[in-house]
Amino acid sequence: GENVEQHPSTLSVQEGDSAVIKCTYSDSASNYFPWYKQELGKRPQLIIDIRSNVGEKKDQRIAVTLNKTAKHFSLHITETQPEDSAVYFCAASSGNEKLTFGTGTRLTIIP
Amino acid sequence: GAVVSQHPSRVICKSGTSVKIECRSLDFQATTMFWYRQFPKKSLMLMATSNEGSKATYEQGVEKDKFLINHASLTLSTLTVTSAHPEDSSFYICSAWEGGGADTQYFGPGTRLTVL
Repeated sequence: GENVEQHPSTLSVQEGDSAVIKCTYSDSASNYFPWYKQELGKRPQLIIDIRSNVGEKKDQRIAVTLNKTAKHFSLHITETQPEDSAVYFCAASSGNEKLTFGTGTRLTIIP
Repeated sequence: GAVVSQHPSRVICKSGTSVKIECRSLDFQATTMFWYRQFPKKSLMLMATSNEGSKATYEQGVEKDKFLINHASLTLSTLTVTSAHPEDSSFYICSAWEGGGADTQYFGPGTRLTVL
């Protein structure tokens, strides 16, 4: 089955700086890669996603890049703000919509 | 975006009792619903995949007789934790997928189960 690894597990960034979180996946059939933000005790919220026929996608301060050959994808958050503090999960799916999640990254933005 | 509700949001029960959790898609029909379990500071672990009108598919290591899943309609799935024990205490989250060409799963707000 699919295995998704995520790094780092914790990340502290000065407000205004950029944050990068990286994930690798094992199943070459995976073709959908969403990123979720989860605040304490809340539901995961989709923040951005990418399909395997695209190498990069951007939405305001958030971008995701995908390298299919290397089987890794990354989340980039620019101009970080205190409200970006949360746990972020990457995930991968091979088209049957069954998601395999990464282990999560606790992002702390330092004011 | 699509809305998924979950009820109850929090439940405390005694050991040996059963607890039912409901997951509803409020403004779309969900071909498939997924049930996840999340321990504190851990990732979401898929427990089972539920399709309307058919038996759920359980992930390896998940006891189907302990975690009963029913998906009676395109907008409702239920998870029943039978004979609950303290080790079943966890955050249970459902998600709903519309199907067809849709990619996105929409998550419910979760249910925190505490078994005394």
